[in-house]
Amino acid sequence: NAGVTQTPKFQVLKTGQSMTLQCAQDMNHNSMYWYRQDPGMGLRLIYYSASEGTTDKGEVPNGYNVSRLNKREFSLRLESAAPSQTSVYFCASSEGRGRVTEAFFGQGTRLTVV
Amino acid sequence: AQSVSQHNHHVILSEAASLELGCNYSYGGTVNLFWYVQYPGQHLQLLLKYFSGDPLVKGIKGFEAEFIKSKFSFNLRKPSVQWSDTAEYFCAVNDLSDKLIFGTGTRLQVFP
Repeated sequence: NAGVTQTPKFQVLKTGQSMTLQCAQDMNHNSMYWYRQDPGMGLRLIYYSASEGTTDKGEVPNGYNVSRLNKREFSLRLESAAPSQTSVYFCASSEGRGRVTEAFFGQGTRLTVV
Repeated sequence: AQSVSQHNHHVILSEAASLELGCNYSYGGTVNLFWYVQYPGQHLQLLLKYFSGDPLVKGIKGFEAEFIKSKFSFNLRKPSVQWSDTAEYFCAVNDLSDKLIFGTGTRLQVFP
């Protein structure tokens, strides 16, 4: 029973490099989310997807793109990484359908941009 | 737009002390409210949630929270904390859309 799986767990990038964070859920959830967690700032919503084929901006979308590849997978792409994107990234999913009943989180990806 | 405020950034308690963490949200309509906990090095886990009905909700590990609509608050309480409660606690709000917004978190340290 995997739940929400994120890869990779750790990544170091040089400024200007690109990378994609992968997320998959096996709970048949409709909604998926990407958050970043920074000390003293809590979790901030980057993008979310209410269903396959739809994505919406959250609180801090600049510098990121997302793809909802299918119902299971929701990827986050950094096209040109910047040191300000050093953070811990969490993917989450929920049943959705217009309300959040409970969100399940992945283990996180610790990204460092040097 | 909805937002969530957690005014206690860092709380330090001795074991057996009582705990209350504040959470206020800004949204005038119907909301779903959550408290999540993050133990060191781990991902977030749900402590409790409120959708409707009894405004006093009970969660796991002896935690409870009270929804006070007139104050836009959803404070988390525990009568007697343990060392194992050391963690970061997040309040979150859903405005019946597909968005889930979190507060900035409260770091709780419990000393034996």
